[in-house]
This record gives sequence, C-alpha cells and structure tokens, in this order.
Amino acid sequence: QITLKESGPTLVKPTQTLTLTCTFSGFSLTTLGVGVGWIRQPPGKPLEWLALVYWDDDKRYSPSLKSRLTITTDTSKNQVVLTMTNMDPVDTATYYCAHWPTSSAFGPWGQGTLVTVSS
Amino acid sequence: QSVLTQPPSVSAAPGQKVTISCSGGGSNIGNNYVSWYQQLPGTAPKLLIFDNNKRPSGIPDRFSGSKSGTSATLGITGLQTGDEADYYCGTWDSSLSAGVFGGGTKLTVL
Repeated sequence: QITLKESGPTLVKPTQTLTLTCTFSGFSLTTLGVGVGWIRQPPGKPLEWLALVYWDDDKRYSPSLKSRLTITTDTSKNQVVLTMTNMDPVDTATYYCAHWPTSSAFGPWGQGTLVTVSS
Repeated sequence: QSVLTQPPSVSAAPGQKVTISCSGGGSNIGNNYVSWYQQLPGTAPKLLIFDNNKRPSGIPDRFSGSKSGTSATLGITGLQTGDEADYYCGTWDSSLSAGVFGGGTKLTVL
C-alpha cells in the first residue's frame, strides 16, 4: 500500500522560506519511471502543479514559480523535500505531495497540509 | 487562468449520466496523456482516470475517459449523491516541461 504524508510549518511569515517534507512508503524512488510531485490548492481555488522529481533525480518545475522552488530527495529516508523562498500571503494554500507512477498521473496523494502566510 | 479549460459546473439527476470536458492545445492534451481527479469536499484529490481512459484498481466502471485531438472528456454514469465533488483534468505540457491542471468542475447531483 502506497502512502504519503506532508509535514512542515502551518504558519510562515512573508519573505520567509517554506520547507515541506513528504514522507512516503510502499514504493521506492529508485524504481524506473517513478516520481514524487508537489501540488498546491489555495482556499476555494483550483489545483496548481508545482514540481516533480523523477527516480533518476531529473527535476521539473512550474515555470511561473521555478525561481522560488527547489525539490530534493533523501531516498534513504523515503522523503522528498520542497522549499519555496520569499513566501507571500498569496502562497497560502494546502500543499499536497503525490506519487507519480510510471503512468502520467498522480496517485495516490497525501492528505495535504495547510500553510498560511501571514505576519 | 488555468492552461486547461473546464466548465465551472455541471449538474444532473441521480441515476443519470454526465460528461465533463477539458480543452487544451497541441502542447498539452494534443500530445500527452490526460488524467482525471475527483476531490470530495474537504479531502485530497483522488485519481480516477490515467492515460486518457484507464481506471486504477478500485475505481468503478461508471467512470470513463476519452480524448480526441486537444480535448478530453470524463463520463460518469449512474450518478450517485456521493459523486458530488470537484473534478479536475491534468496532463503534461511539453512546451512548459511541466504538468498542468484544469480549473476544475463542480458536479452537483440534484
């Protein structure tokens, strides 16, 4: 059974850097074709694709946020970390991590973590 | 503004069928697989359809997907009140080298 869980701060101040950790089980990030991605959803708004890291450490980012995002992996701990710099209140959202199997879709997803940006 | 265009809402009666459209372009839907997600109120999205028309194990065959050119469609038959949710399409965009989602469609089962 594949599970993922996001962890990190629930509140960050404007201009701070957000660090979120996705801890997963039930699969290996060293398996050919597999990846882990991050997606966010501001309250009442649609999903926004953020970043994806593949089994071979290839990384892809949303062009609009690329300058602020970094995705890294710790395969020994089964973790994927997303950092987002220069946080702003508009970045308030629920942040999800999700498994990217060899097909071209995310599934399953973590439960999500709500991050609020406020002074 | 989402890269993929979905109708904001659709509705139908219990037991009926509904379709949800997702429109894109050549760099995304036109040349990549489409997936569909169901997001029940207050929960994380759940994968319904991948690779245009394949269902993960556990997803009932009431849910179906299709693609034609630069558009995709999600079909749901035998509507149930438990199907009330937001539905999102997603795909890869080769020009962006990133994934994209639609703006979501709220399904109401009257």
